Amino acid sequence: NAGVMQNPRHLVRRRGQEARLRCSPMKGHSHVYWYRQLPEEGLKFMVYLQKENIIDESGMPKERFSAEFPKEGPSILRIQQVVRGDSAAYFCASSPPQSRAFFGQGTRLTVV
Amino acid sequence: GDSVTQMEGPVTLSEEAFLTINCTYTATGYPSLFWYVQYPGEGLQLLLKATKADDKGSNKGFEATYRKETTSFHLEKGSVQVSDSAVYFCALSDSIAGKSTFGDGTTLTVKP
Repeated sequence: NAGVMQNPRHLVRRRGQEARLRCSPMKGHSHVYWYRQLPEEGLKFMVYLQKENIIDESGMPKERFSAEFPKEGPSILRIQQVVRGDSAAYFCASSPPQSRAFFGQGTRLTVV
Repeated sequence: GDSVTQMEGPVTLSEEAFLTINCTYTATGYPSLFWYVQYPGEGLQLLLKATKADDKGSNKGFEATYRKETTSFHLEKGSVQVSDSAVYFCALSDSIAGKSTFGDGTTLTVKP
């Protein structure tokens, strides 16, 4: 059973471009969480999704950020019109219902 | 809201020294508590966890005890190795599943 797979591992975008980060949960996991880790800081919760539903998006910036977890395929975290302050490591975690989450390796986004 | 406060780093120790990284938390209810480790350039790995008061989590020589009376979950290891050099994160979750709240991380460097 492969772990939580995130891709790409590293992503470079110019200011104003769009960034798409993908997360394939572990087999059998129906819950996905996204976290952001700014340089020299801890992880901050962004959004919690189940298949086709956003359960908790209390940590998502109000503009430019969106997330989805479709019935088929990976979860996508989308950042439109990226700015330098979006540069961070973005971690995805997945879990089955009522069980602990497993983390992916993260995607390191650099905005130049 | 929930919060986690952990000992500020960086922490530098000699090999075979005793390690303590303090972690205290604020939460409603009875959270589950976790320690994660992040090696350079890698994602998060669960190190140990405890789900109720007085539980002791342990793994790879590391231990932490869930202390409800002091709202603490301090990480300890009796004899650190160079390979333990990493960033350590204390975290809590309101349930065994669900979103987690992380501390800011403590960087440990162990010198030969």
